[in-house]
Order: sequence, then C-alpha cells, then structure tokens
Amino acid sequence: AQSVTQLGSHVSVSEGALVLLRCNYSSSVPPYLFWYVQYPNQGLQLLLKYTTGATLVKGINGFEAEFKKSETSFHLTKPSAHMSDAAEYFCAVRRNTPLVFGKGTRLSVIA
Amino acid sequence: DAGVIQSPRHEVTEMGQEVTLRCKLISGHNSLFWYRQTMMRGLELLIYFNNNVPIDDSGMPEDRFSAKMPNASFSTLKIQPSEPRDSAVYFCASTLQGLNTEAFFGQGTRLTVV
Repeated sequence: AQSVTQLGSHVSVSEGALVLLRCNYSSSVPPYLFWYVQYPNQGLQLLLKYTTGATLVKGINGFEAEFKKSETSFHLTKPSAHMSDAAEYFCAVRRNTPLVFGKGTRLSVIA
Repeated sequence: DAGVIQSPRHEVTEMGQEVTLRCKLISGHNSLFWYRQTMMRGLELLIYFNNNVPIDDSGMPEDRFSAKMPNASFSTLKIQPSEPRDSAVYFCASTLQGLNTEAFFGQGTRLTVV
C-alpha cells in the first residue's frame, strides 16, 4: 500500500522568505511522486512530478522538489515566497494505482 | 483542450433528494477518478474506471452512491437519497491508463445538502 504524510497542516512565511513544505511517502515499489496546488474554489493543478531520472525536479511558479529515497521524502521548496503562492498544497504518490494524497498543507504568505 | 469539465459547479439540495454530478473527461484519456474533499477527511478516492469499467469502488461510502460511465468521455456520480453529511466538494480527474502520469482535475462540484 502507498501513503503520504505531509508534516504541518498550516505553514506561514513572510513574503520573500524560503518556502519548505514537507512530504514523506511510504511505498513498497519505486514511487511516482507529485505535488499539486489548489487555489480557493479551484481544482487541483499539477506543480511538478518525479517519475524517474533526475531526483531534483523543477516545476511551475519557481517551485522545485527533491526525491530522496534514503529519507523517503519529496519536500517542496521555493527560494522566495510571493503573495500569490498562498494556497493549499498536496503531495501525492502513485505507482500502478490511483493517486493517493496527503492531507494537504495550507501556505499563508505574510506581507 | 478544455480540460476536465464538471457540472454543476455548485449544487444545493434538500435532504432526501437525488443529486447527479457530471464529468467530461479530457479527449483521449481512458481512466476516470471521482474524489471527495472535506475538511475532516481531505481528498478521498471514491471510485475509478479504466476504459469505462469500474475497477475499484471500495471508497464509495454507501449504497446511496453510484457512478457510471455510459461512454468513454462522460461519467456521472449519483447520490440517492442525499444526506447533510454528503456535503463536500466532489472532483473528477482523468488520465491515461497505465502510464503512471499525473491526473488532470476538474474544477469540482460543491455540494450542500440542507
């Protein structure tokens, strides 16, 4: 079975500060990992994904994530937060199954 | 492509009424997923289809819930009778089967049962 744990249901950062959203996964097979973003009253939009190859993955809006097998982690980072980054972020895992999502982390950006 | 299209965007209904949510897949996609989002439970997979065939409906909460794919591009999720605890946002998503690619989500239907 596959599962995802997102540490911190709510993260607050100042505008211009580093964003770090944590995700740890559990999978009995090599996982495919995803980060989605959800803005208020919207559906989920893909930020980035890891399938195979380079473990540092770059996505949209300046976000990136690094797959660390030894730590079973796939943390999401952005060097400098913008006000427009305020949203809910979901980590998800998939390998021959439907996407399994974490509980989500709400990111607030303070001016 | 217009993406995954869900209708209606909002639905308010009285307890006991039948509710039908609709979803149009992205052209060429052959896997369809229905998710429910609530504050308490987050995103839960209700059911998914491959090539119009239901593969796993273990997430469907009760017999009051049913889902169909009458053709390759369209799906419905029906709740009959509806209850206040069914209030949630329902998402459908589509993807290409077997490629472990990302799923593309619709905008969701916000259901309120009063």
